[in-house]
Amino acid sequence: GENVEQHPSTLSVQEGDSAVIKCTYSDSASNYFPWYKQELGKRPQLIIDIRSNVGEKKDQRIAVTLNKTAKHFSLHITETQPEDSAVYFCAASRIQAGTALIFGKGTTLSVSS
Amino acid sequence: NAGVTQTPKFRILKIGQSMTLQCTQDMNHNYMYWYRQDPGMGLKLIYYSVGAGITDKGEVPNGYNVSRSTTEDFPLRLELAAPSQTSVYFCASSLSTEAFFGQGTRLTVV
Repeated sequence: GENVEQHPSTLSVQEGDSAVIKCTYSDSASNYFPWYKQELGKRPQLIIDIRSNVGEKKDQRIAVTLNKTAKHFSLHITETQPEDSAVYFCAASRIQAGTALIFGKGTTLSVSS
Repeated sequence: NAGVTQTPKFRILKIGQSMTLQCTQDMNHNYMYWYRQDPGMGLKLIYYSVGAGITDKGEVPNGYNVSRSTTEDFPLRLELAAPSQTSVYFCASSLSTEAFFGQGTRLTVV
């Protein structure tokens, strides 16, 4: 089955800096790679996703890149703000193939002002 | 539109007791999932379902059972609660890609 590794487990940055979180996956058939943000005591919520036919996707201050050959994908947050502080999870799955999202262990991002 | 609703929000169980965590969604999603979240361990898939009458084991199914008799409901059953099942449980549903999560159930087994 799919296995998703996520690094780092914790990340501390100063407000305004960039943050990068990296994930690798094992199943070469996976074609959907979402990122979820979970604030303290809340449920995870999707912030951005990418499919395997796209190499990069951007939404304002966040972007995701995918390298299918190396089987890794990354989340980039620019101009970080204190409200970006949360736990971020990457995940992987095969769309419409009867499989479920498999998540990484999460990265706790702390943005200090 | 309520989305994904889980009950209860909190529960304390004694070792050996049984309980059912309820999950219902009103978005007509085919896919439904149960995850458990432990500190530093991320979200581990317990069971999932791709439609009514179909269920599959996830990464950590031992000690749990599920059923999917309707599209809307996906209850998770703990038969003999153990301290190792102390966790936060999340139910989620999806059409094909984005998963929508319930608010979670915090379960403590003592």
